[in-house]
Amino acid sequence: KAGVTQTPRYLIKTRGQQVTLSCSPISGHRSVSWYQQTPGQGLQFLFEYFSETQRNKGNFPGRFSGRQFSNSRSEMNVSTLELGDSALYLCASSFSGRTQAEQFFGPGTRLTVL
Amino acid sequence: GESVGLHLPTLSVQEGDNSIINCAYSNSASDYFIWYKQESGKGPQFIIDIRSNMDKRQGQRVTVLLNKTVKHLSLQIAATQPGDSAVYFCADRYGGATNKLIFGTGTLLAVQP
Repeated sequence: KAGVTQTPRYLIKTRGQQVTLSCSPISGHRSVSWYQQTPGQGLQFLFEYFSETQRNKGNFPGRFSGRQFSNSRSEMNVSTLELGDSALYLCASSFSGRTQAEQFFGPGTRLTVL
Repeated sequence: GESVGLHLPTLSVQEGDNSIINCAYSNSASDYFIWYKQESGKGPQFIIDIRSNMDKRQGQRVTVLLNKTVKHLSLQIAATQPGDSAVYFCADRYGGATNKLIFGTGTLLAVQP
């Protein structure tokens, strides 16, 4: 069974641009969560989608948005990029919407903002 | 508040020794905890989990201990191997209909040959 895949793996953008990251969950998984990882702030929750609905959102500005498609694939978008948005963006999928269900992480997308 | 912290940022051990990584959490309502391992260039990998109605859980070479009285969690790795070198995170998941995880700051485990 294929794991969580994220594309692209690496991105370089300049300030003010926007970016879209993609996540394909494990087949059959309906929950997708996104996290931002930086050396200074660690791993921080961005948002979670379950059956195409955003179920929870972290403390990030409105420039960060996401969506989930009917096949459970998810995208996140960051508009008007800032230098501080440089980070590893991780996607995690889970089979069900219940808590205490194991989450599987993808390898991440490394975003560099110049 | 929402915080899960780690006592030690770096832990250096000799190959073959046992390792203990500690974690403190602040939310007394937390009912589920997970340990993840993250190797360089990879996403976090699930190691072991424990529910709040348990004090101890064992896996292959790993044991997680939960002390709810002092809100403390630990991960024990037996006979540490070079392949165990990585950053270890504890994470706390809140109840309710969400998979939101609150991660600790992480501990770098360095295994010396």
